[in-house]
Amino acid sequence: GENVEQHPSTLSVQEGDSAVIKCTYSDSASNYFPWYKQELGKRPQLIIDIRSNVGEKKDQRIAVTLNKTAKHFSLHITETQPEDSAVYFCAASWAAGTASKLTFGTGTRLQVTL
Amino acid sequence: DAGITQSPRYKITETGRQVTLMCHQTWSHSYMFWYRQDLGHGLRLIYYSAAADITDKGEVPDGYVVSRSKTENFPLTLESATRSQTSVYFCASTEGSGATWDTQYFGPGTRLTVL
Repeated sequence: GENVEQHPSTLSVQEGDSAVIKCTYSDSASNYFPWYKQELGKRPQLIIDIRSNVGEKKDQRIAVTLNKTAKHFSLHITETQPEDSAVYFCAASWAAGTASKLTFGTGTRLQVTL
Repeated sequence: DAGITQSPRYKITETGRQVTLMCHQTWSHSYMFWYRQDLGHGLRLIYYSAAADITDKGEVPDGYVVSRSKTENFPLTLESATRSQTSVYFCASTEGSGATWDTQYFGPGTRLTVL
């Protein structure tokens, strides 16, 4: 099965700085890489995703890059704001049988300080 | 988000008791999933279902049972709860077709404590 590693486990940045979270995956067959944001006590919510036929995707202050050769992908948040403080999870999707299943990283707790 | 709900939101039970966690979605999504979330482990897949009456094991299925008699419901049962099953449980669903066929949407979660 797939294995996803995520670093760092905690990240503290000052408001306005950029934050980068990195993930590596093991299964070269994985082709879908979503990122979820989870605020304290809330459900994970999709913030951006990328598919294996695309190298980079951007949505306002967030962007994701994918390097299929190296099997790693990264989340970039620019101009961070206090409301960006949350736990971020990366995931990789691989299909087994009739379903596409997500394997998650262990999460990065991002703290944006004033 | 209101399209997928879980009940109860909080549950305290004792070791050895049977517990059922409910998940209901109104989107008619084909696929449904159960995850558990523990500190240091992220989200781990317990069971998933591709359609009514089709279920399969995920990464950590031991001690859990699922069923899916209707597309909209996907209950998770702990047949004999153990302390190690204390966790936050999330249900998720995905369309299974179309441009966003594998985007998973999560329910609000159930916090289960086994004493």
